[in-house]
Amino acid sequence: SYELTQPPSVSVSPGQTASITCFGDKLGDKYAFWYQQKPGQSPVLVIYQDSKRPSGIPERFSGSNSGNTATLTISGTQAMDEADYYCQAWDSSTYYVFGSGTKVTVL
Amino acid sequence: EVQLVQSGAEVKKPGESLRISCKGSGYRFTNYWISWVRQMPGKGLEWMGRIDPSDSYTNYSPSFQGHVSISVDKSISTAFLHWSSLKASDTAMYYCARRGSGSSYYFDYWGQGTLVTVSS
Repeated sequence: SYELTQPPSVSVSPGQTASITCFGDKLGDKYAFWYQQKPGQSPVLVIYQDSKRPSGIPERFSGSNSGNTATLTISGTQAMDEADYYCQAWDSSTYYVFGSGTKVTVL
Repeated sequence: EVQLVQSGAEVKKPGESLRISCKGSGYRFTNYWISWVRQMPGKGLEWMGRIDPSDSYTNYSPSFQGHVSISVDKSISTAFLHWSSLKASDTAMYYCARRGSGSSYYFDYWGQGTLVTVSS
């Protein structure tokens, strides 16, 4: 079965850049998607098709995907960006696959 | 405005059956797959399965196949997740989510979640 691996946690200072990685076999051949989940809330899509931002998502969120790694980048991180972030991909045998999640802490 | 509204929290005993629901509005319900996603306490997201409301075709994750079933009632734009015999390990938050537009496989709208607690 297909698996996606994320670091458990990332810490960032306010105003700095946070990078969250997602590793999967030949992930660059698939689309990567990213969701933000704040405590007690439902997940929210922040990046789709590797690098596109849905309406209403701030420009400080960006994404890339190449080789085996997809990356979500938060530029100029704000306190409100503190949340869990999940990557997701589609595999023809496993269907929807989520990464293990990364907790972003804004120190 | 697209909305997915889920049924309320449930407290059940092991061995009992349960059906929770997810009502879509603000869009053509039969045009978009609905998936169910589990989140156990303090844990990550797990895809359980999906249904195509247009023909009720389903796919399940091997981890959930045979333990849950997904159905839909097009006439009321509602998808359901059903257990015939709950276990304590089914205690979790359950989300429904709509497949995003286009040919890609992702989720653009999520329900507010239904908390299921299974305890004797």
